[in-house]
Amino acid sequence: GDSVTQMEGPVTLSEEAFLTINCTYTATGYPSLFWYVQYPGEGLQLLLKATKADDKGSNKGFEATYRKETTSFHLEKGSVQVSDSAVYFCAGGSYIPTFGRGTSLIVHP
Amino acid sequence: SQTIHQWPATLVQPVGSPLSLECTVEGTSNPNLYWYRQAAGRGLQLLFYSVGIGQISSEVPQNLSASRPQDRQFILSSKKLLLSDSGFYLCAWSSGVDRGYTFGSGTRLTVV
Repeated sequence: GDSVTQMEGPVTLSEEAFLTINCTYTATGYPSLFWYVQYPGEGLQLLLKATKADDKGSNKGFEATYRKETTSFHLEKGSVQVSDSAVYFCAGGSYIPTFGRGTSLIVHP
Repeated sequence: SQTIHQWPATLVQPVGSPLSLECTVEGTSNPNLYWYRQAAGRGLQLLFYSVGIGQISSEVPQNLSASRPQDRQFILSSKKLLLSDSGFYLCAWSSGVDRGYTFGSGTRLTVV
């Protein structure tokens, strides 16, 4: 079945640093790929998505490109803020998305 | 616009007691509905999903059940809670696999 693997955290950065959170997937067919963000005590919010190879999803300064050749969908942001501190989930699937375990991001002032 | 409501936000229940968590969606029709559980430090575990009224698919055999009595209502139940049922329960809806999910705000269940 489909599976998603993302880097374990926590990832700790200083404000304005560059962020990369790795995500790779295993799937039959052509899955849609997503990044979700979860702030403490809340549900998940869809951050960005890509539905086919070479698509780039972007939102709030975050970007991720659907790389079929490397089966990856890494999340990047050029300059993180303290307010970006949260848990980030990669998800993907052709029918019902499978979620990664989540990566905690901590941004210090 | 579409909204999803999930309640209660927190719940403390004794072992062996029943459970009923409710989720409703507004502003759309015939949504796909999902129940997930999130354990501390772990990812999301899909419990149930539904593509229509009365249609429930179970992903994990356990003492939980789900029902969809109306198009936009999804209920998670248990007749007798176990300690291992503690966790953060999330309801979500989707209009298609490539649209992504919209999640509710979650219910923190503690079984004591």
